[in-house]
Amino acid sequence: DGGITQSPKYLFRKEGQNVTLSCEQNLNHDAMYWYRQDPGQGLRLIYYSQIVNDFQKGDIAEGYSVSREKKESFPLTVTSAQKNPTAFYLCASSIGLVAGWNEQFFGPGTRLTVL
Amino acid sequence: GENVEQHPSTLSVQEGDSAVIKCTYSDSASNYFPWYKQELGKGPQLIIDIRSNVGEKKDQRIAVTLNKTAKHFSLHITETQPEDSAVYFCAASRSSNTGKLIFGQGTTLQVKP
Repeated sequence: DGGITQSPKYLFRKEGQNVTLSCEQNLNHDAMYWYRQDPGQGLRLIYYSQIVNDFQKGDIAEGYSVSREKKESFPLTVTSAQKNPTAFYLCASSIGLVAGWNEQFFGPGTRLTVL
Repeated sequence: GENVEQHPSTLSVQEGDSAVIKCTYSDSASNYFPWYKQELGKGPQLIIDIRSNVGEKKDQRIAVTLNKTAKHFSLHITETQPEDSAVYFCAASRSSNTGKLIFGQGTTLQVKP
């Protein structure tokens, strides 16, 4: 999984609770991304960050929040406002657009289940 | 908006046969096309990619072809093996954009021994 770690691997939460998913990379990449994957579907972009202290909404940002205080870390908070949070969450990173390439490398994922 | 269509959604082949997965993209400015392999319960792994300045790229049993005029690209796996069984995703992006990848819906490949 190329230097990207996500924890925990499995996460259970009660309805109405916020939960934070961890993503750390030691690849010295500038850009980081969060995707959501539902069974039998492709990956949908939640949030992305091209540089420290900056991030933008992806296609399905509602009910989620992020921070990018350190280059190597990009935590995702799933808030109680997210209507259907049960899914497989994937974090990715890339060198960044400065380098001109877009290769994204993925972590192992966190499976979140709302009870 | 930007869209990537991937076909087929499932593909079953006999060990040793070839497998072909096709994708069509909508954004004519796309210039980077990666393919990912995802095994059950794991994150996707980049297996091959192609940029718009070439029409074909090969890496051992895997090849990707790109037709910019038709806006489609394909993954070819030859001499398939049971360990090739997984979900494969295509994606498209343009380097002048934010680095966002637009993913296809995925193809579940089953290689029967």
